[in-house]
Amino acid sequence: QVQLQESGPGLVKPSETLSLTCTVSGGSIGYYHWSWIRQPPGKALEWIAYIYYNGSANHNPSLKSRVTMSVDTSKKQFSLKLSSVSAADTAVYYCARRADYGAFDMWGQGTVVTVSS
Amino acid sequence: QSVLTQPPSVSGAPGQRVTISCTGSSSNIGAGYDVHWYQQLPGTAPKLLIYVNNNRPSGVPDRFSGSKSGTSASLAISGLQAGDEADYYCQSYDSSLSVSVFGTGTKVIVL
Repeated sequence: QVQLQESGPGLVKPSETLSLTCTVSGGSIGYYHWSWIRQPPGKALEWIAYIYYNGSANHNPSLKSRVTMSVDTSKKQFSLKLSSVSAADTAVYYCARRADYGAFDMWGQGTVVTVSS
Repeated sequence: QSVLTQPPSVSGAPGQRVTISCTGSSSNIGAGYDVHWYQQLPGTAPKLLIYVNNNRPSGVPDRFSGSKSGTSASLAISGLQAGDEADYYCQSYDSSLSVSVFGTGTKVIVL
């Protein structure tokens, strides 16, 4: 059974860069799109970005150019960097696997990231 | 940006049937993009409940069913149970925004 686990700092200062890593276990990282999705407190889910195992990536235009994604297939990890963060970026961040049919079929447990000085 | 609109809450007594609507537009559901549904129990990650409009992943009871028509989709829960109390989200793709989009979310309350 594939499992995903997020890791990274839980507190980031305003204007700095948020960095998170997702480790995939129990299955291959190949041939799937791997995504980041976030959920601000009390709010709905928001798709941030995805990366394919070969490194091709796409991100939500609403985040402009603040998003960078990378993948390390040898470690079965993919990462998110979100620059110039503000309080509006405070959220639970989930990593998830996107199946071919477009649904997110596997999710990590989520990690809380707070942006505060 | 939630371009898929859901009612904030629906409620029903145990054993009853409730439905949750997901209203989109011509650039997402109306354009033919598939709709998926997720259940988020309190304090946990979302779980895929329905995929490609009306398909259940292995392990999801047949009390949950999905449908899609025009620019909207619906999730029905029959034989409502206390354990169904959760937030439910629809998800699709929007071609004008070029993003996967989620609904505003609906809290199901079991009376």
